Amino acid sequence: DQQVKQNSPSLSVQEGRISILNCDYTNSMFDYFLWYKKYPAEGPTFLISISSIKDKNEDGRFTVFLNKSAKHLSLHIVPSQPGDSAVYFCAATAGTYKYIFGTGTRLKVLA
Amino acid sequence: GAGVSQSPSNKVTEKGKDVELRCDPISGHTALYWYRQSLGQGLEFLIYFQGNSAPDKSGLPSDRFSAERTGGSVSTLTIQRTQQEDSAVYLCASSPAPGQGTYLHFGNGTRLTVT
Repeated sequence: DQQVKQNSPSLSVQEGRISILNCDYTNSMFDYFLWYKKYPAEGPTFLISISSIKDKNEDGRFTVFLNKSAKHLSLHIVPSQPGDSAVYFCAATAGTYKYIFGTGTRLKVLA
Repeated sequence: GAGVSQSPSNKVTEKGKDVELRCDPISGHTALYWYRQSLGQGLEFLIYFQGNSAPDKSGLPSDRFSAERTGGSVSTLTIQRTQQEDSAVYLCASSPAPGQGTYLHFGNGTRLTVT
Protein backbone atom coordinates (compact mmCIF):
# COMPACT_ATOMS: atom_id res chain seq x y z
CA ASP A 1 0.00 0.00 0.00
CA GLN A 2 1.88 3.01 -1.33
CA GLN A 3 0.68 5.92 0.80
CA VAL A 4 3.02 8.42 -0.85
CA LYS A 5 3.36 8.28 -4.61
CA GLN A 6 5.67 9.98 -7.03
CA ASN A 7 4.31 8.94 -10.39
CA SER A 8 7.05 10.47 -12.54
CA PRO A 9 10.26 8.47 -12.22
CA SER A 10 12.22 11.09 -14.17
CA LEU A 11 12.08 14.66 -15.43
CA SER A 12 14.35 16.69 -17.69
CA VAL A 13 14.36 20.49 -17.67
CA GLN A 14 16.45 23.16 -19.37
CA GLU A 15 18.72 25.23 -17.17
CA GLY A 16 16.98 28.44 -16.10
CA ARG A 17 13.47 27.03 -16.51
CA ILE A 18 11.11 25.86 -13.78
CA SER A 19 11.19 22.29 -12.48
CA ILE A 20 7.96 20.95 -11.02
CA LEU A 21 8.05 17.71 -9.08
CA ASN A 22 4.80 16.16 -7.96
CA CYS A 23 3.74 13.94 -5.10
CA ASP A 24 0.36 12.44 -4.22
CA TYR A 25 -0.69 10.89 -0.95
CA THR A 26 -3.61 8.81 0.23
CA ASN A 27 -3.57 9.18 4.02
CA SER A 28 -5.65 12.19 5.09
CA MET A 29 -4.02 12.04 8.53
CA PHE A 30 -0.67 13.22 7.14
CA ASP A 31 0.01 16.66 8.58
CA TYR A 32 3.65 17.35 7.76
CA PHE A 33 5.36 16.95 4.42
CA LEU A 34 9.00 17.12 3.43
CA TRP A 35 11.17 17.08 0.34
CA TYR A 36 14.62 15.53 0.25
CA LYS A 37 17.30 15.65 -2.40
CA LYS A 38 19.68 12.77 -3.01
CA TYR A 39 22.92 12.73 -4.99
CA PRO A 40 24.50 9.42 -6.03
CA ALA A 41 26.41 7.64 -3.26
CA GLU A 42 25.15 10.13 -0.69
CA GLY A 43 22.28 10.04 1.77
CA PRO A 44 19.15 12.12 1.21
CA THR A 45 19.41 15.68 2.48
CA PHE A 46 16.49 17.73 3.73
CA LEU A 47 15.35 20.45 1.38
CA ILE A 48 12.08 22.01 2.50
CA SER A 49 8.95 21.12 4.44
CA ILE A 50 5.37 22.25 4.88
CA SER A 51 2.79 21.85 7.59
CA SER A 52 -0.78 20.96 6.66
CA ILE A 53 -1.98 24.28 8.06
CA LYS A 54 -0.21 26.05 5.20
CA ASP A 55 -0.58 25.79 1.45
CA LYS A 56 2.78 27.23 0.46
CA ASN A 57 6.28 27.46 1.84
CA GLU A 58 9.16 29.15 0.10
CA ASP A 59 12.91 29.00 0.60
CA GLY A 60 14.99 30.75 -2.01
CA ARG A 61 14.58 28.99 -5.35
CA PHE A 62 12.47 26.23 -3.77
CA THR A 63 8.73 26.45 -3.13
CA VAL A 64 6.47 23.67 -1.91
CA PHE A 65 2.73 23.83 -2.55
CA LEU A 66 0.19 21.74 -0.69
CA ASN A 67 -3.33 21.04 -1.95
CA LYS A 68 -5.03 19.15 0.85
CA SER A 69 -8.31 18.61 -0.96
CA ALA A 70 -6.46 16.92 -3.82
CA LYS A 71 -3.96 15.24 -1.48
CA HIS A 72 -1.22 16.60 -3.67
CA LEU A 73 1.99 18.48 -3.12
CA SER A 74 4.51 19.83 -5.52
CA LEU A 75 8.03 21.20 -5.40
CA HIS A 76 8.91 24.07 -7.68
CA ILE A 77 12.52 24.94 -8.42
CA VAL A 78 13.08 28.18 -10.25
CA PRO A 79 15.39 28.87 -11.90
CA SER A 80 16.68 25.32 -12.28
CA GLN A 81 20.45 24.85 -12.20
CA PRO A 82 22.61 21.90 -13.30
CA GLY A 83 23.54 21.32 -9.64
CA ASP A 84 19.88 20.59 -8.95
CA SER A 85 20.20 17.33 -10.90
CA ALA A 86 19.46 14.66 -8.30
CA VAL A 87 16.73 12.31 -7.12
CA TYR A 88 13.99 14.05 -5.15
CA PHE A 89 11.92 12.23 -2.55
CA CYS A 90 8.78 13.50 -0.93
CA ALA A 91 7.89 12.24 2.53
CA ALA A 92 4.96 12.58 4.90
CA THR A 93 4.17 11.93 8.51
CA ALA A 94 0.93 11.83 10.49
CA GLY A 95 2.07 13.50 13.68
CA THR A 96 4.21 10.51 14.58
CA TYR A 97 7.81 9.54 14.16
CA LYS A 98 7.16 7.43 11.07
CA TYR A 99 8.10 9.18 7.85
CA ILE A 100 6.69 7.57 4.70
CA PHE A 101 8.71 8.20 1.56
CA GLY A 102 7.80 8.15 -2.10
CA THR A 103 9.82 6.29 -4.72
CA GLY A 104 11.61 9.40 -5.94
CA THR A 105 11.84 11.44 -9.14
CA ARG A 106 15.15 11.78 -10.93
CA LEU A 107 15.59 15.37 -12.11
CA LYS A 108 18.07 16.18 -14.83
CA VAL A 109 18.75 19.86 -15.52
CA LEU A 110 20.25 20.31 -18.96
CA ALA A 111 22.88 23.01 -19.44
CA GLY B 1 29.54 19.49 13.07
CA ALA B 2 29.74 15.78 12.30
CA GLY B 3 26.83 14.23 10.51
CA VAL B 4 25.47 10.70 10.67
CA SER B 5 28.27 8.24 10.06
CA GLN B 6 27.74 4.76 8.61
CA SER B 7 30.21 1.94 8.12
CA PRO B 8 31.16 0.20 6.02
CA SER B 9 30.23 2.26 2.97
CA ASN B 10 30.22 -0.89 0.84
CA LYS B 11 29.87 -4.53 1.79
CA VAL B 12 29.98 -7.54 -0.49
CA THR B 13 29.07 -10.83 1.13
CA GLU B 14 28.23 -14.35 0.09
CA LYS B 15 24.72 -15.65 0.40
CA GLY B 16 24.20 -17.26 3.79
CA LYS B 17 26.73 -15.15 5.68
CA ASP B 18 25.85 -12.72 8.46
CA VAL B 19 26.58 -8.98 8.17
CA GLU B 20 26.67 -6.10 10.63
CA LEU B 21 26.08 -2.52 9.59
CA ARG B 22 26.97 0.32 11.94
CA CYS B 23 25.47 3.76 12.45
CA ASP B 24 26.81 6.63 14.52
CA PRO B 25 24.08 9.26 14.86
CA ILE B 26 24.49 12.98 15.38
CA SER B 27 25.37 13.70 18.99
CA GLY B 28 22.32 14.67 21.02
CA HIS B 29 19.81 13.18 18.59
CA THR B 30 17.49 10.89 20.50
CA ALA B 31 15.73 9.32 17.52
CA LEU B 32 17.45 6.85 15.21
CA TYR B 33 16.02 5.17 12.13
CA TRP B 34 17.06 2.50 9.67
CA TYR B 35 15.69 2.61 6.13
CA ARG B 36 16.43 0.48 3.10
CA GLN B 37 16.48 1.50 -0.55
CA SER B 38 16.36 -1.36 -3.01
CA LEU B 39 17.10 -0.80 -6.69
CA GLY B 40 14.38 1.38 -8.22
CA GLN B 41 12.44 1.55 -4.97
CA GLY B 42 11.72 4.25 -2.44
CA LEU B 43 12.96 4.37 1.11
CA GLU B 44 11.52 1.50 3.10
CA PHE B 45 11.23 1.98 6.87
CA LEU B 46 12.88 -0.78 8.87
CA ILE B 47 13.18 0.18 12.54
CA TYR B 48 12.99 3.20 14.87
CA PHE B 49 14.65 3.86 18.23
CA GLN B 50 13.67 6.73 20.54
CA GLY B 51 15.57 7.20 23.77
CA ASN B 52 15.01 4.32 26.14
CA SER B 53 11.64 3.36 24.69
CA ALA B 54 11.03 -0.01 23.09
CA PRO B 55 11.98 0.20 19.40
CA ASP B 56 9.41 0.03 16.62
CA LYS B 57 10.51 -3.02 14.65
CA SER B 58 7.42 -3.16 12.46
CA GLY B 59 9.36 -2.59 9.23
CA LEU B 60 11.88 -5.40 9.60
CA PRO B 61 11.19 -7.73 6.64
CA SER B 62 12.01 -11.02 8.38
CA ASP B 63 13.38 -12.45 11.60
CA ARG B 64 16.81 -12.57 9.96
CA PHE B 65 16.98 -8.82 10.56
CA SER B 66 17.68 -7.35 13.98
CA ALA B 67 19.00 -4.08 15.32
CA GLU B 68 20.16 -2.69 18.59
CA ARG B 69 21.14 0.69 19.89
CA THR B 70 23.63 0.77 22.70
CA GLY B 71 23.72 3.57 25.24
CA GLY B 72 21.26 5.59 23.24
CA SER B 73 23.90 6.27 20.63
CA VAL B 74 25.52 3.84 18.18
CA SER B 75 23.25 1.37 16.40
CA THR B 76 24.02 -1.90 14.65
CA LEU B 77 21.78 -3.54 12.07
CA THR B 78 22.45 -7.27 11.74
CA ILE B 79 21.29 -9.43 8.87
CA GLN B 80 21.69 -13.14 9.41
CA ARG B 81 21.95 -15.73 6.64
CA THR B 82 21.90 -13.06 3.94
CA GLN B 83 19.88 -13.62 0.78
CA GLN B 84 20.28 -11.99 -2.63
CA GLU B 85 17.08 -10.00 -2.10
CA ASP B 86 18.78 -8.30 0.86
CA SER B 87 21.01 -6.43 -1.61
CA ALA B 88 20.20 -2.74 -1.15
CA VAL B 89 21.47 0.50 0.29
CA TYR B 90 20.86 0.61 4.03
CA LEU B 91 20.41 4.14 5.29
CA CYS B 92 20.57 5.31 8.87
CA ALA B 93 19.05 8.59 9.99
CA SER B 94 18.82 10.47 13.25
CA SER B 95 16.81 13.41 14.49
CA PRO B 96 15.94 15.29 17.63
CA ALA B 97 12.76 14.04 19.30
CA PRO B 98 10.15 13.81 16.53
CA GLY B 99 7.74 16.66 15.96
CA GLN B 100 6.79 19.19 13.34
CA GLY B 101 9.76 21.20 12.29
CA THR B 102 12.19 18.32 12.78
CA TYR B 103 13.52 16.24 9.97
CA LEU B 104 15.72 13.23 9.45
CA HIS B 105 19.44 13.60 8.95
CA PHE B 106 20.69 10.71 6.85
CA GLY B 107 24.08 9.07 6.61
CA ASN B 108 25.56 8.13 3.26
CA GLY B 109 24.40 4.55 3.60
CA THR B 110 25.93 1.12 3.34
CA ARG B 111 25.61 -0.52 -0.06
CA LEU B 112 25.16 -4.23 0.58
CA THR B 113 25.67 -6.70 -2.23
CA VAL B 114 24.88 -10.35 -1.62
CA THR B 115 26.44 -12.66 -4.21
